[in-house]
Amino acid sequence: GAGVSQSPSNKVTEKGKDVELRCDPISGHTALYWYRQSLGQGLEFLIYFQGNSAPDKSGLPSDRFSAERTGGSVSTLTIQRTQQEDSAVYLCASSLMGGGAGDTQYFGPGTRLTVL
Amino acid sequence: GNSVTQMEGPVTLSEEAFLTINCTYTATGYPSLFWYVQYPGEGLQLLLKATKADDKGSNKGFEATYRKETTSFHLEKGSVQVSDSAVYFCALSEGRYGGSQGNLIFGKGTKLSVKP
Repeated sequence: GAGVSQSPSNKVTEKGKDVELRCDPISGHTALYWYRQSLGQGLEFLIYFQGNSAPDKSGLPSDRFSAERTGGSVSTLTIQRTQQEDSAVYLCASSLMGGGAGDTQYFGPGTRLTVL
Repeated sequence: GNSVTQMEGPVTLSEEAFLTINCTYTATGYPSLFWYVQYPGEGLQLLLKATKADDKGSNKGFEATYRKETTSFHLEKGSVQVSDSAVYFCALSEGRYGGSQGNLIFGKGTKLSVKP
């Protein structure tokens, strides 16, 4: 079946602009995670959704970052007033149950964000 | 806090050589441990996992054993192939009993290059 998809695959924006990144999880997966992959920081957790609610937002680096999930499916990560340090690959993952330690997460191909 | 430390790369091996990539972890509870692989130009894929002490995860000739006494989860393969060239990430996750929501905590990644 279809895996996790993300769009756009690449996004170039100017400093100060807002961007929206989209994630379509595997159908039926209740848990959705956002991560960020950058050269300096490696892979960092950003936010976790269980259904439409976000019980863990602890990884969001600043209040310029927000995310929502609707219909228990698609999620959008929004970065307002982008800064150059936001440049990274943003990864989305989904899992069947979530919240547990052993649940396998399936990753999308990522969105490469470049802030000029 | 929880963390994962894996050996720095890059690692360059000849085809059919033995591979070990060391991974140690720090965790407050009873984590599950994972190895993810990122092939060139592709997204993160689960390679193997282990959910409790002494479990051995295996896939595609790779193995790793969850050692609680040494807090380690070293990745091994007896005979590497050119097609194994990729970046390998060790990761852990804890569930609610560990104060987490199942998000993955990753090591920095180890780049493996296998020469024919």
